Amino acid sequence: EVQLLESGGTLVQPGGSLRLSCEASGFTFSSYAMTWVRQAPGKGLEWVSSISDSGGSTFDAESVKGRFKISRDNFKNTLFLQMNNLRADDTAIYYCARSPGSNVEWSDYWGQGALVTVSS
Amino acid sequence: QLVLTQSPSASASLGASVKLTCTLSSGHNNYAIAWHQQRPRKGPRYLMKVNSDGSHSKGDGIPDRFSGSSSGAERYFTISSLRSEDEADYYCQTWGTGIQVFGGGTKLTVL
Repeated sequence: EVQLLESGGTLVQPGGSLRLSCEASGFTFSSYAMTWVRQAPGKGLEWVSSISDSGGSTFDAESVKGRFKISRDNFKNTLFLQMNNLRADDTAIYYCARSPGSNVEWSDYWGQGALVTVSS
Repeated sequence: QLVLTQSPSASASLGASVKLTCTLSSGHNNYAIAWHQQRPRKGPRYLMKVNSDGSHSKGDGIPDRFSGSSSGAERYFTISSLRSEDEADYYCQTWGTGIQVFGGGTKLTVL
């Protein structure tokens, strides 16, 4: 059974940093591209960042470019999102999601999410 | 620019059918999309991928009363024999080289 478990969400002050993790199980993690998607309170889904299976290619939404960095550890089956210079509008539930292959395409499995609150 | 457009809301009666629409922006008629369901206070759940030719492939455990189709720039998601548990937000998603795009979502109310 494919499982994605996010962790690391918490309350952080504006301008602060945070690293989210997503532990994967039930599939060969190193063979699949992965993505972070967020959802602000009462809003829709917003793509944040994606990474290829090897980690050699990464892609970021304009709203987070230069502040967030996606990475992965294929030995530990874990996806990361390093978030720096956080702003109030980064407050959201952050979901990790798997693509069905090595390239970034649609998402075929989702985690349950990690809540990040940016507030003083 | 790759954009997906969805109606904000839809409603239908218990036991009836409903068809949700996701429209691709101009010049992107050949793009496939994916449909996702999000029940209240839950994470999203992948439902199916719908290709430009109308063929679709479902995720694990998705019931037969859920189906997808296409016409031009529009991608459809149809639920037949509506149940109360189908009341949820439904999002379409597409992708390009290194990006993903989501529609604004449709809130489905089962009457």
